[in-house]
Amino acid sequence: AQRVTQPEKLLSVFKGAPVELKCNYSYSGSPELFWYVQYSRQRLQLLLRHISRESIKGFTADLNKGETSFHLKKPFAQEEDSAMYYCALGLTDKLIFGTGTRLQVFP
Amino acid sequence: DTEVTQTPKHLVMGMTNKKSLKCEQHMGHRAMYWYKQKAKKPPELMFVYSYEKLSINESVPSRFSPECPNSSLLNLHLHALQPEDSALYLCASSQGLRGDEETQYFGPGTRLLVL
Repeated sequence: AQRVTQPEKLLSVFKGAPVELKCNYSYSGSPELFWYVQYSRQRLQLLLRHISRESIKGFTADLNKGETSFHLKKPFAQEEDSAMYYCALGLTDKLIFGTGTRLQVFP
Repeated sequence: DTEVTQTPKHLVMGMTNKKSLKCEQHMGHRAMYWYKQKAKKPPELMFVYSYEKLSINESVPSRFSPECPNSSLLNLHLHALQPEDSALYLCASSQGLRGDEETQYFGPGTRLLVL
């Protein structure tokens, strides 16, 4: 069955510290993977997708098919990165979301 | 216009009421979606429309009735809801359903309270 796992409900770091939000997926085909972010009182929005291989707001994510992972990383966290982050697996017709990780960045 | 809009922002309704949620996009997207999101939970897919036809119904109770009048509009008709249906209802759209077209763009949501 297709599934997305985000093991951490909450991740707290200090400003300037490195951040890694973990995401593992279960899918037998070739995955399309996304990271979506939801800032407080704002709409859910795309942060990045693996196919574009770009860095957005300093975040990067590499697809590791061997480990079935798509972890989100940023070398130096900023206070404005505090938000809810969802990893999602794209299937034909739908997205399957992980349970989300709340990132708190303290000053 | 590069956004998905939803109206109303907030809605309070009784269990015997009939109401509708509206979603609109003018990005030329051909796929539109309804999601339900409970507090501190991820969005749960309810319906998918592709080229104005219902593509997926995720076993949603019949008290929720979707409608896609045209390629820019998506409605969700509500009737005889239960208090546990209270949630944030999100609309999304994408260019298509596959590959480069499947990135979904979300509206701000309608916060629904059923009394």
